[in-house]
Amino acid sequence: SAVISQKPSRDICQRGTSLTIQCQVDSQVTMMFWYRQQPGQSLTLIATANQGSEATYESGFVIDKFPISRPNLTFSTLTVSNMSPEDSSIYLCSVVGGGEQYFGPGTRLTVT
Amino acid sequence: GENVEQHPSTLSVQEGDSAVIKCTYSDSASNYFPWYKQELGKGPQLIIDIRSNVGEKKDQRIAVTLNKTAKHFSLHITETQPEDSAVYFCAASRNQAGTALIFGKGTTLSVSS
Repeated sequence: SAVISQKPSRDICQRGTSLTIQCQVDSQVTMMFWYRQQPGQSLTLIATANQGSEATYESGFVIDKFPISRPNLTFSTLTVSNMSPEDSSIYLCSVVGGGEQYFGPGTRLTVT
Repeated sequence: GENVEQHPSTLSVQEGDSAVIKCTYSDSASNYFPWYKQELGKGPQLIIDIRSNVGEKKDQRIAVTLNKTAKHFSLHITETQPEDSAVYFCAASRNQAGTALIFGKGTTLSVSS
């Protein structure tokens, strides 16, 4: 299985600001994803981070709000832009390896 | 699109009892069904998965069954222990590689000693 790390592990941010979350994987992976988990809720896919091209966003998520970078096969960033309290969630990076999907530890974001 | 229903939302058992969590899915083309365990403050951990060409899979105290005709699958934990206490999520996907997972709402399992 892949070992996934995320930075920061948690943060408290002011509304109107932006936060960039980093995801690092210990091996090269083709498929990398970003999920959101709102408090006490299930996981919702935000987008698929494609290496060398723009991310593919799910319905309800837009690039201006959640810009994603994927500069290589082991790293990706997700930015949460112009934050509001409704963006308070856990943001999770995920990768596919060996036909299975693995998740990072998550970034717990609180917007005040 | 796919919709995954999960029941129950909470489950309390005594240590040593069995626990069963059930999920139904709507997309008959789904063919990959993983289960994740999420402990407080951590990311989801894959504990077992099943593919559409198999009806049952076991791994020590954990088993998963799949009924493609009825479009439901279940997680069975035997001889529960306090460390099994966590939130469990089922998921479904059309892709054998597990991409584009659609998750159930989760089951909070509490095992008391």
